[in-house]
Amino acid sequence: EAGVAQSPRYKIIEKRQSVAFWCNPISGHATLYWYQQILGQGPKLLIQFQNNGVVDDSQLPKDRFSAERLKGVDSTLKIQPAKLEDSAVYLCASKTGGQPEQFFGPGTRLTVL
Amino acid sequence: GESVGLHLPTLSVQEGDNSIINCAYSNSASDYFIWYKQESGKGPQFIIDIRSNMDKRQGQRVTVLLNKTVKHLSLQIAATQPGDSAVYFCAENSGAGSYQLTFGKGTKLSVIP
Repeated sequence: EAGVAQSPRYKIIEKRQSVAFWCNPISGHATLYWYQQILGQGPKLLIQFQNNGVVDDSQLPKDRFSAERLKGVDSTLKIQPAKLEDSAVYLCASKTGGQPEQFFGPGTRLTVL
Repeated sequence: GESVGLHLPTLSVQEGDNSIINCAYSNSASDYFIWYKQESGKGPQFIIDIRSNMDKRQGQRVTVLLNKTVKHLSLQIAATQPGDSAVYFCAENSGAGSYQLTFGKGTKLSVIP
């Protein structure tokens, strides 16, 4: 079974630029999560999707972050404009219905200069 | 200034010894807990989980203990191997019915050959 795919793996941008991350969850997984992991900390949930609908985006900084999952499969997370404090690893995870375990992708490491 | 978040608790153990990693969780209503292992440059990987109606669960070389009275989890790794070197996170399901995980700070395990 293929795992959660993410791209790019690394991205370096200047502050105030825009950036987008892509996630392809495990086939058949209806629930998709985006997390932010700052160096030395645990992952922090940004947004949760169920199919193409948002379940919870209460911790997403909506003034600069946006995410979508238009067809209920792939998802993109965008930051516009980026700030220095956005430097982190952005992790995507997915899970199947009825099972609590989340499967994580390798993450995208973002550096904002 | 120095960021506390950059300094993970570290546990160093000799190869072949047993390791015990501890975690305090925050929500007494959490009903499900997971231990994840995160190697450098990778996403978190599932190790073992436990539901709140249990106090112990065993896997291959790993055991999780749950003490709900003091809101404490521990992960025991038997016969620790160099490949066990990683950061270990506990996570609690804090969103009733929605399977949202809240991650702890993490502990870095270093295995001395």
